[in-house]
Amino acid sequence: AQSVTQLGSHVSVSEGALVLLRCNYSSSVPPYLFWYVQYPNQGLQLLLKYTSAATLVKGINGFEAEFKKSETSFHLTKPSAHMSDAAEYFCAVTTDTGRRALTFGSGTRLQVQP
Amino acid sequence: DSGVTQTPKHLITATGQRVTLRCSPRSGDLSVYWYQQSLDQGLQFLIQYYNGEERAKGNILERFSAQQFPDLHSELNLSSLELGDSALYFCASSVGISDSYNEQFFGPGTRLTVL
Repeated sequence: AQSVTQLGSHVSVSEGALVLLRCNYSSSVPPYLFWYVQYPNQGLQLLLKYTSAATLVKGINGFEAEFKKSETSFHLTKPSAHMSDAAEYFCAVTTDTGRRALTFGSGTRLQVQP
Repeated sequence: DSGVTQTPKHLITATGQRVTLRCSPRSGDLSVYWYQQSLDQGLQFLIQYYNGEERAKGNILERFSAQQFPDLHSELNLSSLELGDSALYFCASSVGISDSYNEQFFGPGTRLTVL
């Protein structure tokens, strides 16, 4: 079985500041890891994914995440927050070349202050 | 646009009623997943079908059922609805093959409101 834990249900940053959203995973087999973003009243949009290639993964909108096996972490970062980044972010894990269902974290709501 | 379509977009119904949510996967995708997003449970996996057969079950209630048809579209049936069933229901699809990475593509969701 696999699981993800997102530390911090709400994160608030100032515009231009570093964004750091934390995700730790648990998996008995090599995981595939994802970050999704959900804007208000919208569906899920894939930000980036780790599928056992490069450990530093770059995604859309300037986001990136680093897979650290020793720390079982897959934290999401962005050097400079923009007002349009305000949304809810979900970390997710799956296994078996992604043929299994995704297990999502509880989500982190990012607020960006002007 | 992910290529996964879901209908209807919104559904408002009363307690005790039955509804059917429909999902059409991307062309060529054999695997369909259903997820529920609610305020108290978060995003959770309900059920997965692969080429017409049930492949995995998650936290799906007995009042809920699903099927995947020969044309690969899927329906999620929710019966004896309760207020707590109000949620956003997502469908996702993937190719479903074993020898390469299978990305799941999400539909826009169906928002169910039970009054």
